[in-house]
Formats: sequence, C-alpha cells, structure tokens
Amino acid sequence: AQSVTQLGSHVSVSEGALVLLRCNYSSSVPPYLFWYVQYPNQGLQLLLKYTTGATLVKGINGFEAEFKKSETSFHLTKPSAHMSDAAEYFCAVTGNTGGFKTIFGAGTRLFVKA
Amino acid sequence: IAGITQAPTSQILAAGRRMTLRCTQDMRHNAMYWYRQDLGLGLRLIHYSNTAGTTGKGEVPDGYSVSRANTDDFPLTLASAVPSQTSVYFCASSEGPNNSPLHFGNGTRLTVT
Repeated sequence: AQSVTQLGSHVSVSEGALVLLRCNYSSSVPPYLFWYVQYPNQGLQLLLKYTTGATLVKGINGFEAEFKKSETSFHLTKPSAHMSDAAEYFCAVTGNTGGFKTIFGAGTRLFVKA
Repeated sequence: IAGITQAPTSQILAAGRRMTLRCTQDMRHNAMYWYRQDLGLGLRLIHYSNTAGTTGKGEVPDGYSVSRANTDDFPLTLASAVPSQTSVYFCASSEGPNNSPLHFGNGTRLTVT
C-alpha cells in the first residue's frame, strides 16, 4: 500500500523568500513521485516528477524537488517566491502494484505575501 | 486543444436521484481515473480503468459505478445520490505506465441536497 503525507495544510511566505513544501511518502515498492499544482477552479497540472535516475528533479516555474530514499521524502522547493505561485500543491505517489493508481496527499495551500 | 472534457461543470442534485458525470479525452490515453476532491482530504481515487473494457476500484468506490466501453469515454454514475457525495469530481487520464503523469479535466462541482 502507498500513502502520502504533506506537512502543513497552509504555508505563507513573503515574495522573494524561499518556498519549502514538505512531502513524505510510504511505499512497499520503488515509488514514482509527483508534484502537481492547482489554481482556483481548475484541474491539477504537473509540476515535476521523479521516476528513476537523478534524485534532484527540476520542474516548471523554477520549482525543484529532491528524492531522498533514506528519509522517504520528496520536498518541493523554489528559491524565490512569486505572487503567481500562490496555489494549492499536491504531492502524489504511484507504484507498480498491479494498477496505475496514483495516491495524493491532502495538499498544501501556498500564500505569497507582497 | 487536446485534453479532457468534463460535463456538466456544476450540478445541484436532489438526494436519491441518479446522475452521470461525463468525461471524454482525446489523447488516446490508455488509463483513466475518477477522483473526488474534498477540503482537507486532497484527492481520493474512486474508480480507475487501465484500458478500455476494464475497470477497478479505488479508495472510495461505494455509491459509484463506472464503465469503459471505449478508449475515450469514462462516465461516472451515482445510482442514488446522498449528501456525502457533495464534492468536486475530477476525471484524469494517463498514458498508462505508473511513471506517466496524470492529465486532469477542470472538474464537476456536485451538490447533493
């Protein structure tokens, strides 16, 4: 079975500050990990994904995430927040468990202050 | 523009009524999914289909049914709606393998009264 825990339902940062959104996962098989972003009244959009290989993955809009197997973590970061980054962010995990099922965390809403 | 189309955009439904949420994709993706999104709970998988002709149960399947008669369409049916099914429903698709990202529609906001 797989699960995802996102620490902090709300995160608030100032414009220009570091963004750090935390995600820990549980998986009985090697995981594939994703971050998605959701803007108001829209569906989710892919930010980045980790499958295999390099553990530091870069995504759109300056975001990146690092897969740390020993910590079962996949935290999302961005060096400098922009007002347009305000949205809800979801961490997700899939694995080869006999079906293409993606499990999502509860989400973290990012607020960016001017 | 290629993608996923969901209909209706929103609906108010009386408890006990039957409702089908429609989902169509034009990307020829093998796998399709239905999720519900509730505040504080994120997205929970209702049903999925790895390929046309097959379906499977997700985390919260009770009260819902699906069919996958062809590659493009994946309707979700509530046979007898209850207030706890008030939610935002998202349809998604992926090419199939577990490392493929999901592509989402814009959702259907359903209120059961």
